[in-house]
Amino acid sequence: AQKITQTQPGMFVQEKEAVTLDCTYDTSDQSYGLFWYKQPSSGEMIFLIYQGSYDEQNATEGRYSLNFQKARKSANLVISASQLGDSAMYFCAMRGAQTGANNLFFGTGTRLTVIP
Amino acid sequence: ETGVTQTPRHLVMGMTNKKSLKCEQHLGHNAMYWYKQSAKKPLELMFVYNFKEQTENNSVPSRFSPECPNSSHLFLHLHTLQPEDSALYLCASSLNVKVSEAFFGQGTRLTVV
Repeated sequence: AQKITQTQPGMFVQEKEAVTLDCTYDTSDQSYGLFWYKQPSSGEMIFLIYQGSYDEQNATEGRYSLNFQKARKSANLVISASQLGDSAMYFCAMRGAQTGANNLFFGTGTRLTVIP
Repeated sequence: ETGVTQTPRHLVMGMTNKKSLKCEQHLGHNAMYWYKQSAKKPLELMFVYNFKEQTENNSVPSRFSPECPNSSHLFLHLHTLQPEDSALYLCASSLNVKVSEAFFGQGTRLTVV
């Protein structure tokens, strides 16, 4: 079974500061992908960053980086130099190559608020 | 502009109405998905289509009926819905159904009255 856990319902960060959003996962698959999505109030889910289970380097995309700790089954998102436009819901998701191939399993999300 | 477009953005319908949600992707992807997002719940997968063939129906009630005429278009036909079906319905596409990322549309906010 696949499971994604996001334990922070809400987070606040000062503008220009860095923030870490937590995500832990559980899967029996050996090969899987981990994803982070941003959902602003408009509703669209915006893909941010991807980490493959066999990738040795942590993924980075601009101000986003994924702190992947495979042994701990965690895939935390780090946003550097926060901007007001970063205020949104953030979802961690996972897709397994075998058991969850057809599905992206999502966590319950973290609402990030950037304070000016 | 997003590569996945959903219409309408908002829909209010009565329990006896029939309506359809439309999704179109311009990304050349082969897999398309319908997700339901209810308040305070994780996104729930409803249907998956891969190369126009339905590969997953996640125990969705028959009042929701998907249609995928080609790899670029996906519909969700709605009939005799219940108030608890009110939610944000998100369409997504991905290159394939393996470990690739999915790209989402902006969703249709459905209210059943």
